[in-house]
Amino acid sequence: QVQLQESGPGLVKPSETLSLTCTVSGDSVSIGGYHWSWIRQPAGKRLEWIGRVYNSGSTNYNPSLKSRVTISLDTSNHQFSLKLSSVTAADTAVYYCARVLLVPSGYNWLDSWGQGTLVTVSS
Amino acid sequence: DIQMTQSPSSLSASVGDRVTITCRASQSISNYLNWYQQKPGQAPQVLIYMSSTLQSGVPSRFSGSGSGTDFTLTISSLQPEDFATYYCQQSLSTTWTFGQGTKVEV
Repeated sequence: QVQLQESGPGLVKPSETLSLTCTVSGDSVSIGGYHWSWIRQPAGKRLEWIGRVYNSGSTNYNPSLKSRVTISLDTSNHQFSLKLSSVTAADTAVYYCARVLLVPSGYNWLDSWGQGTLVTVSS
Repeated sequence: DIQMTQSPSSLSASVGDRVTITCRASQSISNYLNWYQQKPGQAPQVLIYMSSTLQSGVPSRFSGSGSGTDFTLTISSLQPEDFATYYCQQSLSTTWTFGQGTKVEV
């Protein structure tokens, strides 16, 4: 059974870069049929999809964050990572990593999630 | 972006009640609609995908329906463990979006 675990600093200063890593166990990040996503949730607000990385390494990002986001895959360490630059207080949120299940018909959904990690942006 | 709007934002219910949550998309998404349950302090978990397919292990009291722009999640007989927040999410477009959530409380 796949497990995902986020790691990284819980406090980031304004204007700096937020960096998180998701470690995947029980599965390979390069396996076909899946890709890998980051989602965040500010306190009391809705979930916001940040972006995805395919097992090929190609990516898609939320247009609202695209200029500041980089998601990458590290197949040798069974990890994928998130970098969000020039952060402000508005980026304070619980950040989740998740696995996306793809089916041949084109449908896909988030079928496994990490527990989430709170990142606070403050000086 | 495709906007997702849920109603109601919250509801009060009792154990044994039938509960219905609706989700509306700003444009047609066929049946590219997923539902998640989130309990306090926990990550969301998928309940239903492709509008009406129950995720393995999810109790049969949960059901989903709809296509196009209008969707519903129904809990046929609310159980104590079902008090949570429910989110719909569209996966048609490259940019995924979620509804604002519906909190089911006592």
